[in-house]
Parts: sequence; C-alpha cells; structure tokens
Amino acid sequence: GESVGLHLPTLSVQEGDNSIINCAYSNSASDYFIWYKQESGKGPQFIIDIRSNMDKRQGQRVTVLLNKTVKHLSLQIAATQPGDSAVYFCAENPFGGGFKTIFGAGTRLFVKA
Amino acid sequence: GAVVSQHPSWVICKSGTSVKIECRSLDFQATTMFWYRQFPKQSLMLMATSNEGSKATYEQGVEKDKFLINHASLTLSTLTVTSAHPEDSSFYICSATVAGGQNEQYFGPGTRLTVT
Repeated sequence: GESVGLHLPTLSVQEGDNSIINCAYSNSASDYFIWYKQESGKGPQFIIDIRSNMDKRQGQRVTVLLNKTVKHLSLQIAATQPGDSAVYFCAENPFGGGFKTIFGAGTRLFVKA
Repeated sequence: GAVVSQHPSWVICKSGTSVKIECRSLDFQATTMFWYRQFPKQSLMLMATSNEGSKATYEQGVEKDKFLINHASLTLSTLTVTSAHPEDSSFYICSATVAGGQNEQYFGPGTRLTVT
C-alpha cells in the first residue's frame, strides 16, 4: 500500500547545529503535508505544513522543503536546541481523502549539549 | 485556541472488561475526529474517522465491534475498547478538525491503556 516513510530512524546533532530530517512519500495524489513533533507520552504537536503547490515554507527556526518530482519532504531545524529532542513525523493528506492523515515511521532526534 | 483534551490520561483495566476514552474539542466545534493507536516506538496508525451524527469509518483491519466509536456532538467523540485484552494495551490518540476549516488537525494528549 501507499505510505509515507523516513530515511533515518534516529538523528543525533550537536546543540546549535542545524538538523535535517527527511521523508519520502509514495502517494503522488497527496496535496498537503505536515510535520509533527512528539515528545514522550504526549500527543503530536503541529510544527509546520506545506501544500503541494509550494516548494518551500518557513516558520520560526523551521523550514519545510517539498520536492514533488522525487516525492521527498524535509524538515530543517536551525540552531537545534535540547528542547528539540523528540520524535518527528511527517504526514500526508491524500487528495480526496477528506482530512485523513497518514503518518510516516518517525525519526528520533537527539540533541547533544 | 484549538485545544483537544482526552480523558482519562491513563487507565489500567482487567482483561475482558470495557474501557471508554473521551475526546473533547474544548474551544471549537469539530466536524470530524480521528482515532489513532500508537504502540511503543512506532508511528501513529489511524483506526477510524468519526463524523458527528454518522457512523464511523474504520480503517482496514480495525474491528468495528471491538472499537466502538460514538460522535454524538460537535465537541465529543468516544472510543470504547470492548472486551479488552493485553494486546490492546497501547497509546490511543484522538485528533479533531475545525468545522469549516482547513486540513489542520489538532491532537489530544493521548490515553495510555494498560490491560492486565
């Protein structure tokens, strides 16, 4: 079946460095993508989203890049902080699927002080 | 704004009993709510889509008679795990979309269910 997947299960970065978390998706019909952050024992927290008619979107310290040609999504976190340590999920809304959201496998980000 | 709560936050029950989990949108009306299950170190898996006033739509492989979903109002959806077994132990998370809004989903804090 179609799914959203991630290239790296874990990522360890030094505090202050930039982090890049990657995601590959297979559903070419998806038109909306979201990155979520999940801390242990909590629900997912919205970070940033992007629609399929965009290539890049920036937020506060975060940037999402979308490459529809290769079906690739990435989340860039600038000046990574210890508080950024969490599991990050990319997710997609298939077009025509209502608001149904499909989650990828997740990447655990460790920030070393 | 757009806060979703779940109750209880954790529950322990004996095998064979039923457990009800509530999902509430506190400051908005939610036309659609979703229920997810998450096992340790795994991703969220969508169980069902719940629309106010209608029957829930279950994902493939999810037993609708075991996981009863009721969405009686625009601010409340409930998930009842019937005849729970240890393999039902998991983290259950709900989310809600704003009525008339865009795609963005707001997630609850989750409910940890442990079946002994």
